[in-house]
Amino acid sequence: GAGVSQTPSNKVTEKGKYVELRCDPISGHTALYWYRQSLGQGPEFLIYFQGTGAADDSGLPNDRFFAVRPEGSVSTLKIQRTERGDSAVYLCASSPSLDRVINEQFFGPGTRLTVL
Amino acid sequence: DQQVKQNSPSLSVQEGRISILNCDYTNSMFDYFLWYKKYPAEGPTFLISISSIKDKNEDGRFTVFLNKSAKHLSLHIVPSQPGDSAVYFCAASAVDSGYALNFGKGTSLLVTP
Repeated sequence: GAGVSQTPSNKVTEKGKYVELRCDPISGHTALYWYRQSLGQGPEFLIYFQGTGAADDSGLPNDRFFAVRPEGSVSTLKIQRTERGDSAVYLCASSPSLDRVINEQFFGPGTRLTVL
Repeated sequence: DQQVKQNSPSLSVQEGRISILNCDYTNSMFDYFLWYKKYPAEGPTFLISISSIKDKNEDGRFTVFLNKSAKHLSLHIVPSQPGDSAVYFCAASAVDSGYALNFGKGTSLLVTP
């Protein structure tokens, strides 16, 4: 597929557990973003990568959240000691470059995380 | 603190008429604005964008207007079609905050036949 893919599509876990959410960006896209969308809200920025490095992680809510992109392609968002308030749809997006003229971000379908 | 605001949670328009979706922002550093469309269970899909150096951008039935002095932008859809029914998000970005998008809460558009 040519689009951004995210796995799993749904994840149900218990409070206190650890979860990993995966994002496969569009091939060749150097920029990758994670957002979180809670019910009735717009997507909220978490972190973005330029290549392998996290260029801006200011949106991560606390140190239970961490993301990696070791080879500059696939990214994993990791949440430790999950809390009920972490329940949301986690969206990944990628972009061809950080060219300010072309800043269109292509979104995946999201992972719906439910913490019981 | 919501820096991008869409004050109308929903809008209903008849097929063939114009749909106008509004968005206000508070951060004067925003210099690039985008509209996304979202269907249920799908990720947002890019629709149209505008740079702060312009006041209008048009793409087919979709036109975005930017009023920098009022910190306001709007999306016009003419003519509206039933397939346009979706949630529309306004988003903005600034150089000094990287390229992260700040989204509004969205406006649910319903186009009735």
